[in-house]
Amino acid sequence: SQELEQSPQSLIVQEGKNLTINCTSSKTLYGLYWYKQKYGEGLIFLMMLQKGGEEKSHEKITAKLDEKKQQSSLHITASQPSHAGIYLCGADGGFGYFGNEKLTFGTGTRLTIIP
Amino acid sequence: DAGVTQSPTHLIKTRGQQVTLRCSPKSGHDTVSWYQQALGQGPQFIFQYYEEEERQRGNFPDRFSGHQFPNYSSELNVNALLLGDSALYLCASSLRGLAGLTGELFFGEGSRLTVL
Repeated sequence: SQELEQSPQSLIVQEGKNLTINCTSSKTLYGLYWYKQKYGEGLIFLMMLQKGGEEKSHEKITAKLDEKKQQSSLHITASQPSHAGIYLCGADGGFGYFGNEKLTFGTGTRLTIIP
Repeated sequence: DAGVTQSPTHLIKTRGQQVTLRCSPKSGHDTVSWYQQALGQGPQFIFQYYEEEERQRGNFPDRFSGHQFPNYSSELNVNALLLGDSALYLCASSLRGLAGLTGELFFGEGSRLTVL
């Protein structure tokens, strides 16, 4: 079965600083989702990556999938208090382009922003 | 346009009881998946419903069952509750087989179940 490891497990960053969260898979990634979760609440969709070398950005958040499709990174530029929360990566269990929408998640990275 | 909605938001049960959680998918979506998220862990896949049938199942016992209705909404039922069933239960919706193309795999706010 596929396993995802996220690092670091927790991160404390001063407001305005940049940061990176990593997600490493034990198998090839065919669809990699990034979500943000406020403590005890639902998951907010950030981005989905599928192609090796793909990079997507939304506001100050950029996610990349490496060429070998076994690692993804999430980079936040000029962090703000609104970025605080838990970031989760989820891998689609399918093997094709369209996937099977059965996600395996990492344990998450807890991000704290210090004013 | 409403996203994925779940009810109830919080509930408390005692061991041995049964619980039913409900989910309405995002408009235009036809597939509903359920996840269990224990405290401090990532969500774990329970099962997925499409065309009113269970299509995929994770490693959960038969005490966990579900249903999908013709309007695509879904229920998760858990029988003979155990203390370990205490968790946040999340519902996700998508358009069958196309999440990889559209990136649309959206979650609701979850139902927080506490078993005493």
